[in-house]
Amino acid sequence: DGGITQSPKYLFRKEGQNVTLSCEQNLNHDAMYWYRQDPGQGLRLIYYSQIVNDFQKGDIAEGYSVSREKKESFPLTVTSAQKNPTAFYLCASGTGTGELFFGEGSRLTVL
Amino acid sequence: ELKVEQNPLFLSMQEGKNYTIYCNYSTTSDRLYWYRQDPGKSLESLFVLLSNGAVKQEGRLMASLDTKARLSTLHITAAVHDLSATYFCAVDGDDDMRFGAGTRLTVKP
Repeated sequence: DGGITQSPKYLFRKEGQNVTLSCEQNLNHDAMYWYRQDPGQGLRLIYYSQIVNDFQKGDIAEGYSVSREKKESFPLTVTSAQKNPTAFYLCASGTGTGELFFGEGSRLTVL
Repeated sequence: ELKVEQNPLFLSMQEGKNYTIYCNYSTTSDRLYWYRQDPGKSLESLFVLLSNGAVKQEGRLMASLDTKARLSTLHITAAVHDLSATYFCAVDGDDDMRFGAGTRLTVKP
């Protein structure tokens, strides 16, 4: 089945650790996005990529890094520089000119 | 910079009633999307509106787009409990998709 797979679904991190969230899609979409959602809030854009080997910062990129080495994959690393990383992280893909399709999300908690 | 505003942010309504959620945006765009999110879950696409005057309906929900007014509405008819969720509008900007803050809808018996 075509879709977007995020892993892990739940992740706990100690302060000072980097963690990487995986996002894989088999929809053949060029564009991929990472959003952060805090409780009761909307979605804020962290990074997006319109094409392989290229990506742009969104509104809240500080403390995060991404790579886009393959069309199917857009992993997000939450670095120790991100001071308040506890949140729900959503990955999405799209054609670049249309609706987005979302993964199931990854819930990160800092202990 | 594209800004997207939804109102109301919270909506409590009784079953059987009608209501409308509004989505305003700040710059020219003719592509607007509505999503639904259940608690703790991801976003599910509801409607794709791609031109001025577009109207889409699915069950008790109807969405419309007025690109000249930069306004979209999501109308709820005869609400039922199953519609309780958070609804987001999103507008296609130059390079990215901007989301409204969401409207948390609670439908009470």
